[in-house]
Amino acid sequence: EAQVTQNPRYLITVTGKKLTVTCSQNMNHEYMSWYRQDPGLGLRQIYYSMNVEVTDKGDVPEGYKVSRKEKRNFPLILESPSPNQTSLYFCASSFKGSQYFGPGTRLTVL
Amino acid sequence: AQSVAQPEDQVNVAEGNPLTVKCTYSVSGNPYLFWYVQYPNRGLQFLLKYITGDNLVKGSYGFEAEFNKSQTSFHLKKPSALVSDSALYFCAVRDLGNAGNMLTFGGGTRLMVKP
Repeated sequence: EAQVTQNPRYLITVTGKKLTVTCSQNMNHEYMSWYRQDPGLGLRQIYYSMNVEVTDKGDVPEGYKVSRKEKRNFPLILESPSPNQTSLYFCASSFKGSQYFGPGTRLTVL
Repeated sequence: AQSVAQPEDQVNVAEGNPLTVKCTYSVSGNPYLFWYVQYPNRGLQFLLKYITGDNLVKGSYGFEAEFNKSQTSFHLKKPSALVSDSALYFCAVRDLGNAGNMLTFGGGTRLMVKP
């Protein structure tokens, strides 16, 4: 089954404790991206990757890092999380402009 | 720069009545337009898309959307709403000239269908 998976689905952490949210897709898509969803703001793109070892900033990249060492994986890294990063995060992979979203990761930073 | 506006935070409609969820967009080139639906505690699901061709696009679950270039709109419609259609709906746009594949989303519209 074609899918995008994210882990963990839920995470509560404290300010400053580094964390990684994993994302994996099995559709061999070149393009992957991370979004955060906040009430009234819709989805805002954090980072995207057009292929292995090619990443670029989206609309709201501050406080986040990504890596793309292999095509199927695109982890999101928060080196020093802060409470304003409490949000719902979605990973997506794309083919010909159509995006396929993961189930989401709800992150709370205390 | 590209942008999307969904002017209604919430749309209320009675079951069986037609529904419309509004979306307007702004791009410098030709638009690539999408609608997604998000059910509670779920990720986004693709409903339909417009690239070129017929201005009326049919999608999943009986939804359709009409592309209007002069009004820069892409409203989502359904002839007869179901209670199960209640969800959060997002419109998104990509400039076809944008090689980065970046989608810009609207703020979302909550659709409430009452029995």
